[in-house]
Amino acid sequence: AQSVTQLGSHVSVSEGALVLLRCNYSSSVPPYLFWYVQYPNQGLQLLLKYTTGATLVKGINGFEAEFKKSETSFHLTKPSAHMSDAAEYFCAVSRNTGNQFYFGTGTSLTVIP
Amino acid sequence: DADVTQTPRNRITKTGKRIMLECSQTKGHDRMYWYRQDPGLGLRLIYYSFDVKDINKGEISDGYSVSRQAQAKFSLSLESAIPNQTALYFCATSDAPRGGRFGHNEQFFGPGTRLTVL
Repeated sequence: AQSVTQLGSHVSVSEGALVLLRCNYSSSVPPYLFWYVQYPNQGLQLLLKYTTGATLVKGINGFEAEFKKSETSFHLTKPSAHMSDAAEYFCAVSRNTGNQFYFGTGTSLTVIP
Repeated sequence: DADVTQTPRNRITKTGKRIMLECSQTKGHDRMYWYRQDPGLGLRLIYYSFDVKDINKGEISDGYSVSRQAQAKFSLSLESAIPNQTALYFCATSDAPRGGRFGHNEQFFGPGTRLTVL
């Protein structure tokens, strides 16, 4: 079975500081990996995804994530936080042989002015 | 206009009542999903459908039923609502082809329905 672990249910950073949100997955076969963002009172929106190829993936709004197979990780980063980045972030995995997404429990990002 | 819409956006109901949440999409996708979101638990899959005649249970289907009336419509019903079904419910779609290698296809989410069962 798939599982996704997001370390830190709440993360606070100062405006302009580095954002690092952690995601680890458990799978004997490398899965497809996704990061979604949920702004208040909205649905989930795709930030970026890893399928194959380059392990450093760039997404919208200046976010990027690196797939590290040896660490079974897919951490999300942004060099400089903006107030508009305050939201809930979800990591998810999927596989060809499965029928669904498996979501982590989410990380709430607060940006301090 | 939104590609995936959900109605109602907010609903308060009482224990034992039957309630239906509706989802419509204009994306032309075959696959549709219902999730519930609870604080600290992330999103969990309730039901999913590959097409009108193919409906499957997800991780937490007990207490729920679904109907796929058309490619564009997928409804979730709570036959007899209970307080622990209070949650945020999301509908999602995917353009993954039936029988194809679909793991890399993203899912597109509606705005959610906030349901409170008293």
